[in-house]
Amino acid sequence: GENVEQHPSTLSVQEGDSAVIKCTYSDSASNYFPWYKQELGKRPQLIIDIRSNVGEKKDQRIAVTLNKTAKHFSLHITETQPEDSAVYFCAASKARNNQGGKLIFGQGTELSVKP
Amino acid sequence: DVKVTQSSRYLVKRTGEKVFLECVQDMDHENMFWYRQDPGLGLRLIYFSYDVKMKEKGDIPEGYSVSREKKERFSLILESASTNQTSMYLCASSSTGQSFYEQYFGPGTRLTVT
Repeated sequence: GENVEQHPSTLSVQEGDSAVIKCTYSDSASNYFPWYKQELGKRPQLIIDIRSNVGEKKDQRIAVTLNKTAKHFSLHITETQPEDSAVYFCAASKARNNQGGKLIFGQGTELSVKP
Repeated sequence: DVKVTQSSRYLVKRTGEKVFLECVQDMDHENMFWYRQDPGLGLRLIYFSYDVKMKEKGDIPEGYSVSREKKERFSLILESASTNQTSMYLCASSSTGQSFYEQYFGPGTRLTVT
């Protein structure tokens, strides 16, 4: 079945630096790739997503890139701030018709931003 | 405001007990999901449902069952709890509307089986 690998498992950066988290997926039919952020003790929340017909998407300090040929996608956070510290999960999905496709999640990356 | 609630934040049960975890959403979402979250393993899908009385197995359904009698409620059942089911359980829901991809999560239930 579908598999999503996420690296690194932990990432520590200085405030103001950039952070990059990478994921690879196995099912070439996957067409939707969201990123969720989970702060300590809180529920995961969607921060950005990309669909397979787009190569890059930006939202302020965060961006996601997708390489369908290589089957990998990445999250880029620029000018990191302490409030970016959290666990980040990538996921892949192949939605069917109008049904919310099931998400296959990566293992998670614990990002720590040091002031 | 989107709201997914779970019946308990913390639960302690004994081995062999039958355990019910309840999830309720008030967004009229068609799709509901149960995940378990373990360190280093991410979120793994246990079961999901696209409609009332409908269910499909996820990646790790063994030892679990589900029930969806009403649209807003999706229950996860551990038929006979075991220590390897100690975990954080997260419920999520999504719509079949324009933003049907986005899943909204509940706060989680941390279950300990002793």
